[in-house]
Amino acid sequence: ELKVEQNPLFLSMQEGKNYTIYCNYSTTSDRLYWYRQDPGKSLESLFVLLSNGAVKQEGRLMASLDTKARLSTLHITAAVHDLSATYFCAVEVQGGSEKLVFGKGMKLTVNP
Amino acid sequence: DAGVTQSPTHLIKTRGQQVTLRCSPKSGHDTVSWYQQALGQGPQFIFQYYEEEERQRGNFPDRFSGHQFPNYSSELNVNALLLGDSALYLCASSLVRMKNIQYFGAGTRLSVL
Repeated sequence: ELKVEQNPLFLSMQEGKNYTIYCNYSTTSDRLYWYRQDPGKSLESLFVLLSNGAVKQEGRLMASLDTKARLSTLHITAAVHDLSATYFCAVEVQGGSEKLVFGKGMKLTVNP
Repeated sequence: DAGVTQSPTHLIKTRGQQVTLRCSPKSGHDTVSWYQQALGQGPQFIFQYYEEEERQRGNFPDRFSGHQFPNYSSELNVNALLLGDSALYLCASSLVRMKNIQYFGAGTRLSVL
């Protein structure tokens, strides 16, 4: 059974700082997603990573995927308050099922 | 282009009652998946519908059932509600043959008293 673990689960950081968060998963997968969720809101898609070594960047966020290590990272550069949210990684069950298994999420607070 | 729409946005029920939640997929999408997100947790897969049939199912009891209509919209039904069914229910849509990204609706917040 596919399991997805994120760490840390809570992160408080100052504006302008950098940090990397991690997502590990237990079995082979075709796709990994990163989503953002603001309080009381739905999930906003940030990145889809499809292959080993994939790297995607959008603004201050950069995501990468190492399928051999079953590890994805989300790197935050020069954090700003607007990045405060909960970030989920989700892994698609292999076989084209489109069933996603989510991690517990990481709640990020960026302090001025 | 309308995204994924869900109704209602909020719902309050009592234990033992039944509830129906609705989802209209993003234009052009043919697959609908339902997720349950308990407070402080990640979403959990309930089931997925494609071509009006349940394509796969997560670890949820038979009290949870669904339907997909010819226009690809979908319903989630929950019978004999329990307090533990209180959660945000999210609908996601995609286009199966394109294996594209899943887009999520705003969700329905269900409170069971």
